[in-house]
Parts: sequence; C-alpha cells; structure tokens
Amino acid sequence: DAKTTQPNSMESNEEEPVHLPCNHSTISGTDYIHWYRQLPSQGPEYVIHGLTSNVNNRMASLAIAEDRKSSTLILHRATLRDAAVYYCILRGNSGYALNFGKGTSLLVTP
Amino acid sequence: DTGVSQDPRHKITKRGQNVTFRCDPISEHNRLYWYRQTLGQGPEFLTYFQNEAQLEKSRLLSDRFSAERPKGSFSTLEIQRTEQGDSAMYLCASSLTGASNQPQHFGDGTRLSIL
Repeated sequence: DAKTTQPNSMESNEEEPVHLPCNHSTISGTDYIHWYRQLPSQGPEYVIHGLTSNVNNRMASLAIAEDRKSSTLILHRATLRDAAVYYCILRGNSGYALNFGKGTSLLVTP
Repeated sequence: DTGVSQDPRHKITKRGQNVTFRCDPISEHNRLYWYRQTLGQGPEFLTYFQNEAQLEKSRLLSDRFSAERPKGSFSTLEIQRTEQGDSAMYLCASSLTGASNQPQHFGDGTRLSIL
C-alpha cells in the first residue's frame, strides 16, 4: 500500500471545526482512503473511508482532492472527546494489514 | 452491539514466562488480525486469519510467538519465553471480509508488561 504523510500534531478549540490533512501522492487508482482514530488507552476506532467522492457519516466528513493525492478529515465541531491520534491509511486490493504510521495527535482545548 | 473483546486487559509477568491472550471477534467476521503497539508508535501488523487459516505473518512475529484461531471463532496469541522487548499493547481486530473497503474493528487491547 502507498504511504501517507500527516502533520505530527494539531490543536483546535472546542466547538470549532477541525481539518486534518493527509497527503498520499503515490495513491493508486484502487486504493481506498481510510481514517481511524485512537483515544488514550483504547484500541483504534474506524472513522470513515472513501474512494473518490466526498463522504459523510455521523462522526466526520472526508473530503478527497480531485486528483486523489490528498484528503482531509473534517470534524465539524470538535469536542474534548475528539482528542486522539488520527491515522490516515490507504488500503489496496492486495493489502490486508493497516499501515498506521504515526498519525496526527489532535489536542482540543476548552 | 458486541464489539471485539480481548482478555486480559492487562498482564504483568516475569521475563522468561509464557503468556496467552484471547480475542473474541465480532460474530460472523471472517477476518481476524493481531497488531502490536509500543509507546508513541502506531500499531504494527503481526498476523491475520481468514476463518481458521493463518494466511500471513509479519517478520515481527518471531518463533516465540504463535497464534491460533480454532474453528474460525476466537483467537489466541501465545508468547513463549517472554523478553523485555515484548512489553507492548497487543491489539486484535476483525473485519467482515478482506475487501479494501471493509473497516477493521479493534478491541481495546491487552497491555503486556515484562518485569
């Protein structure tokens, strides 16, 4: 699976929107973009995934660039419970393991 | 909603002892994965099962590690002759299929501490 690049950390104010970027310039046409997050002392939690079109669910929105070389996870109103490490992961047809990397550590301040 | 369950949540043992962890995946999920996570790092893949067949092992899985998934339901991960470097969080995940658009659902892990 192709690699992703994310900022090490980001900070947001509570109740503000958060845009978490991810670069994946070597993405292949069949790679899905997955986002997971990991709260302290918990296992990773699936957030959202997409292929080409933007996606929305109850947790977040995923905006995918037209050339698919980058994507952005959008939390519409950050809460203190959203403080976590967010991982952007590509999954292709031949892959089975999730390659987590180091992710982005999101700090939410009141 | 019964998610992935792991037992025990914490395990403290002396170096050289054997330990075994259990994972109960989400019912009817065919795929089961094991990952290991050390402090400050993202989880790293160890091995996975399709039903009862173990299909892939990472180079991280030394010969002291063995995993089973009898009858394609729960899985166990055993570490023999534990070493200090085995201290980590061991995470289990399951997915309905192995398709690239299928999310993996994780348990909260077993934290292993080697004295």
